[in-house]
Amino acid sequence: DGGITQSPKYLFRKEGQNVTLSCEQNLNHDAMYWYRQDPGQGLRLIYYSQIVNDFQKGDIAEGYSVSREKKESFPLTVTSAQKNPTAFYLCASSQRGLIGFGCDTQYFGPGTRLTVL
Amino acid sequence: DAKTTQPNSMESNEEEPVHLPCNHSTISGTDYIHWYRQLPSQGPEYVIHGLTSNVNNRMASLAIAEDRKSSTLILHRATLRDAAVYYCILRLAGNQFYFGTGTSLTVIP
Repeated sequence: DGGITQSPKYLFRKEGQNVTLSCEQNLNHDAMYWYRQDPGQGLRLIYYSQIVNDFQKGDIAEGYSVSREKKESFPLTVTSAQKNPTAFYLCASSQRGLIGFGCDTQYFGPGTRLTVL
Repeated sequence: DAKTTQPNSMESNEEEPVHLPCNHSTISGTDYIHWYRQLPSQGPEYVIHGLTSNVNNRMASLAIAEDRKSSTLILHRATLRDAAVYYCILRLAGNQFYFGTGTSLTVIP
């Protein structure tokens, strides 16, 4: 089945540690995205990538880093510079991304819940 | 970017139709109207989208006002599995998706 996988489902981190969240898609989509969701809130865009080896900052990129070395993979690293990293992290992909038409739809993974101890 | 306004919460009885409203008075001519839903502790799920005409798919119907300043997502027979947060989003080509806080739908057995 085609889709997006995220791992791990739950992640615990000590303060001062970097952690990397995995996101893989087999939909052959060009664009991939990372969002953060806090309790009772909507989604906020962290980073997005239109194409391999290219990515752009979203609204809340500080304290995060990404890479896009392969079309199907877009890992997110939460660094120690992120002051309040406890949140639900969602990865998504879409066929054409921001350069596409407004009808381009996003497909989401199941999410990773990160807790800082 | 154009913004949307949705009620914070709604309730519906099981097996009855549900009409979820969305106001988008500042919509531009090329904004697509998208609806997603998010079940607890899961990623959002695409429901439906449209531009000007009403749209139907296996999950729902989308009714778009003639002036496009509002739209309504219609679930024809609510089930307990439809309990979720529903997001109404305007999407212009080249722009991000902006997810607000949506409408939390409670389905009463």
